Amino acid sequence: DADVTQTPRNRITKTGKRIMLECSQTKGHDRMYWYRQDPGLGLRLIYYSFDVKDINKGEISDGYSVSRQAQAKFSLSLESAIPNQTALYFCATSGTGLTDTQYFGPGTRLTVL
Amino acid sequence: GIQVEQSPPDLILQEGANSTLRCNFSDSVNNLQWFHQNPWGQLINLFYIPSGTKQNGRLSATTVATERYSLLYISSSQTTDSGVYFCAVAYRSGNTPLVFGKGTRLSVIA
Repeated sequence: DADVTQTPRNRITKTGKRIMLECSQTKGHDRMYWYRQDPGLGLRLIYYSFDVKDINKGEISDGYSVSRQAQAKFSLSLESAIPNQTALYFCATSGTGLTDTQYFGPGTRLTVL
Repeated sequence: GIQVEQSPPDLILQEGANSTLRCNFSDSVNNLQWFHQNPWGQLINLFYIPSGTKQNGRLSATTVATERYSLLYISSSQTTDSGVYFCAVAYRSGNTPLVFGKGTRLSVIA
């Protein structure tokens, strides 16, 4: 089984709809992240959480919210989806040590019509 | 914030050729990682290398922290090396998440 899972893997929705993307991990990591990838722009950080009680905005948090339900679960919500939120979304986890590498989920492809 | 620039943006190679990908960063870092995104979108960590040199098979990486750059070497490239290579860094001071460059898209042709 994959260490970091994301659901759904693909989603098509309409402008104005509320969408939730879910991430679960079995690596026992404290740190979790949500990124968005757009062609030619690399990966941009939306939100991150260094432990269950810690939530921080990233570079592009406007229009998004998150919930850290447990150490293993970190959800990303789009309260009212808009077309320019069409992108590939990745969840990632890492441990707390400086040498800890980052592990990514398989991604969720979201299309907002 | 910290800036991460990768070059070249695109690279096309014949199978068997060697290549060097570069990552420049604008501040002192305590974490630098290289990732490969395969054509199916999966992101895999290649190296954690804030300084020094590491090798893993046909891939190796060198980071010169004092000059703020890192190089990823791919030798005897194979079609399975195709994809996008990302460099990501975190500030030396503070407990901050990784900042990613825009990546180098590599296409290896048989």
